[in-house]
Amino acid sequence: DAGVIQSPRHEVTEMGQEVTLRCKPISGHDYLFWYRQTMMRGLELLIYFNNNVPIDDSGMPEDRFSAKMPNASFSTLKIQPSEPRDSAVYFCASSYTGGYGYTFGSGTRLTVV
Amino acid sequence: AQSVTQLGSHVSVSEGALVLLRCNYSSSVPPYLFWYVQYPNQGLQLLLKYTSAATLVKGINGFEAEFKKSETSFHLTKPSAHMSDAAEYFCAVTLSGGYQKVTFGTGTKLQVIP
Repeated sequence: DAGVIQSPRHEVTEMGQEVTLRCKPISGHDYLFWYRQTMMRGLELLIYFNNNVPIDDSGMPEDRFSAKMPNASFSTLKIQPSEPRDSAVYFCASSYTGGYGYTFGSGTRLTVV
Repeated sequence: AQSVTQLGSHVSVSEGALVLLRCNYSSSVPPYLFWYVQYPNQGLQLLLKYTSAATLVKGINGFEAEFKKSETSFHLTKPSAHMSDAAEYFCAVTLSGGYQKVTFGTGTKLQVIP
């Protein structure tokens, strides 16, 4: 099992550009979560999906952020337009019904300059 | 709603000394509790979990935690710290088994002094 795979590992972009972060969950997991980690705010849940359907997007900071899960093996988090305050590490995690705990990916470190 | 409070954002111990990281939870119903560890530039890794089966839970790398309902605590311990234990540790709580929405604490960075 390759675990949760995120790409890219690092992304540096200029303010105003569109950024797309990608995640492949563990096969068979029916829950997928997007988190953001910063020094100031810690770990924040942005959105999570169950069976590819968004369940709770109350943590999405503003309309510039959007997330999709077109199928069970792929999800994207898009920021358009990006701003310097979006700089953070973005984590994807997956889990399965009846399980205990998440499996996290290695994260994408986003820097917006 | 559930929440966890981690006491101490930074903890330093000498190599070989006892590790104690504190976590208190708030929940209106019996919770599920977790400890995760994050090494530099990596994602979080599940260390151990409390699922109401046993109050003393053993995890990976020699860590264990005890669920104490009377104290609403779930402190993480390890008898003898190793240099490789230096990392950030997160306590987390959920009411739904841990596969749905989980609330994380603010984390405790553990420094191990040689």
